Amino acid sequence: AQSVTQPDIHITVSEGASLELRCNYSYGATPYLFWYVQSPGQGLQLLLKYFSGDTLVQGIKGFEAEFKRSQSSFNLRKPSVHWSDAAEYFCAVGARGYQKVTFGIGTKLQVIP
Amino acid sequence: EPEVTQTPSHQVTQMGQEVILRCVPISNHLYFYWYRQILGQKVEFLVSFYNNEISEKSEIFDDQFSVERPDGSNFTLKIRSTKLEDSAMYFCASSVGGVSSGYTFGSGTRLTVV
Repeated sequence: AQSVTQPDIHITVSEGASLELRCNYSYGATPYLFWYVQSPGQGLQLLLKYFSGDTLVQGIKGFEAEFKRSQSSFNLRKPSVHWSDAAEYFCAVGARGYQKVTFGIGTKLQVIP
Repeated sequence: EPEVTQTPSHQVTQMGQEVILRCVPISNHLYFYWYRQILGQKVEFLVSFYNNEISEKSEIFDDQFSVERPDGSNFTLKIRSTKLEDSAMYFCASSVGGVSSGYTFGSGTRLTVV
């Protein structure tokens, strides 16, 4: 069974600073990997996804993530954070041939001026 | 941009009562899902639905739960006899091509069982 670990529950960054949110997954084969974002009172919005091919994937809102098979990681990055990026970020993993997606516990991002 | 719509946004029900949570998925999507998030815990998979039948379900999705697509546009989750531990945020999601397409989530229904 697949699982996801997001080691940072809360992260605070200054506006304009770079951001990296960590995600480690456990799955025997090549997984489907996702990052979702949730603003207060909203549903989860898909930021980006990885299935195969280029290990650096670009998403919406200026986010990117890199799949590193050797480290079982799929970290989310943004070069310059905006105050509107304050939200909760969820890493998720899916398995080929199945519909279920397993989510991490989430990382709450606070952006300070 | 197309949205997944969930109603109601909040529901309070007494323990033992039946509740129906409603969702209108995006019109050209073929795969439908329910997830839930108990306060402070992970978002958990409940069930996936494709071609008018359940394609996968989790161990949480026991006989107290059922799903239905009654009219080709709505997708409902019924909890037959609610328990206190069913209190959670319930998210509906839909996808055009399954998990590989990524999901579009609704804003959720907060269910409180008292």
